[in-house]
Amino acid sequence: GQNIDQPTEMTATEGAIVQINCTYQTSGFNGLFWYQQHAGEAPTFLSYNVLDGLEEKGRFSSFLSRSKGYSYLLLKELQMKDSASYLCAVSGLYGQNFVFGPGTRLSVLP
Amino acid sequence: NAGVTQTPKFQVLKTGQSMTLQCAQDMNHEYMSWYRQDPGMGLRLIHYSVGAGITDQGEVPNGYNVSRSTTEDFPLRLLSAAPSQTSVYFCASRRGQINTEAFFGQGTRLTVV
Repeated sequence: GQNIDQPTEMTATEGAIVQINCTYQTSGFNGLFWYQQHAGEAPTFLSYNVLDGLEEKGRFSSFLSRSKGYSYLLLKELQMKDSASYLCAVSGLYGQNFVFGPGTRLSVLP
Repeated sequence: NAGVTQTPKFQVLKTGQSMTLQCAQDMNHEYMSWYRQDPGMGLRLIHYSVGAGITDQGEVPNGYNVSRSTTEDFPLRLLSAAPSQTSVYFCASRRGQINTEAFFGQGTRLTVV
């Protein structure tokens, strides 16, 4: 079966760095994606990893270790607008569709 | 460029009623899918399509039907609504290549009473 796990909630301070972890056990794997979802809105794409290592995209970085079934999303220089849920998703199942984790709700405090 | 458009945004149904959630995309994407989002459970795949005339089941297909007669449209039908189908529904589309990002509609908040 498929299992994707993330912490339910995290809190961090404006200007700080936060790391959101994701572990997965899936029967198929082609890539790991991160999406951001503000309350009441649709998810929007942040980054993805296909190979092991770190992908950097401005204030956001994502890391993947396929052998460990582990990824993290690193957010630097946190801003209040980063308060949102962060969804980890694995592609490679169901016709290349995504299987999503439960999401991590991040609160950024002043 | 509208992207992915879902209608309606909100809907209240009585148990046993049927309805269709509409989804249209104008990006000529091959792949379209429907997810439901429930608190603490993340997004779960209901049905998906890899092209016009082709549909398949996802994780939680029971109680839902889909069809894909055109590239642009992918409606989701609830045959006989049940309170367990109260959820937020998202339609998504993406290009057909592996590891392309998904674009989501704004969601339909459905309540079944």
